[in-house]
Amino acid sequence: EDQVTQSPEALRLQEGESSSLNCSYTVSGLRGLFWYRQDPGKGPEFLFTLYSAGEEKEKERLKATLTKKESFLHITAPKPEDSATYLCAVQSANNLFFGTGTRLTVIP
Amino acid sequence: GAGVSQSPRYKVAKRGQDVALRCDPISGHVSLFWYQQALGQGPEFLTYFQNEAQLDKSGLPSDRFFAERPEGSVSTLKIQRTQQEDSAVYLCASSAQSSYNEQFFGPGTRLTVL
Repeated sequence: EDQVTQSPEALRLQEGESSSLNCSYTVSGLRGLFWYRQDPGKGPEFLFTLYSAGEEKEKERLKATLTKKESFLHITAPKPEDSATYLCAVQSANNLFFGTGTRLTVIP
Repeated sequence: GAGVSQSPRYKVAKRGQDVALRCDPISGHVSLFWYQQALGQGPEFLTYFQNEAQLDKSGLPSDRFFAERPEGSVSTLKIQRTQQEDSAVYLCASSAQSSYNEQFFGPGTRLTVL
């Protein structure tokens, strides 16, 4: 059964304290793995697409990596404006599944 | 240019009423998606259009849900005989590509069924 699990559910960091968010997946025939950021009351905002194990993408303080079983979103020296829910989504041959997200709070 | 817009932003319906939710995608975007997001959950896929063709409607929870995109631009999600379990945020997204990649989401319509 196709499944996406994100951990932790919530994460509180001090400004500047680097950390990683995890997205574990089981899917038949991975077509792509996507990371989105969602602010309260808004729709998700696209961050990255990863297609194959070993692939990495970077954008400002964010870096996404992919293995055959999981993806990590690394946040380096986060700022308060990075506070949001980060969603992972996995595309199989016929479907797209979102995880429940990690709610990140960065404290000044 | 303008992003994806949705209307209304908020909708309160009495149980049993029909509702229609509108999505205006980014101009020229080929793909259009509808999702349902419950509080504290990730979006759940409902349906996918490529231009005017509805290629996948496997996520629609029942035959009370119906979506259309007759001219390949604006889309409407209609829910007939609303039930309390239909209360959620309904998100629309569009993509320039004929795939699930790099979707641009609208702000959503929050539907509350009393």
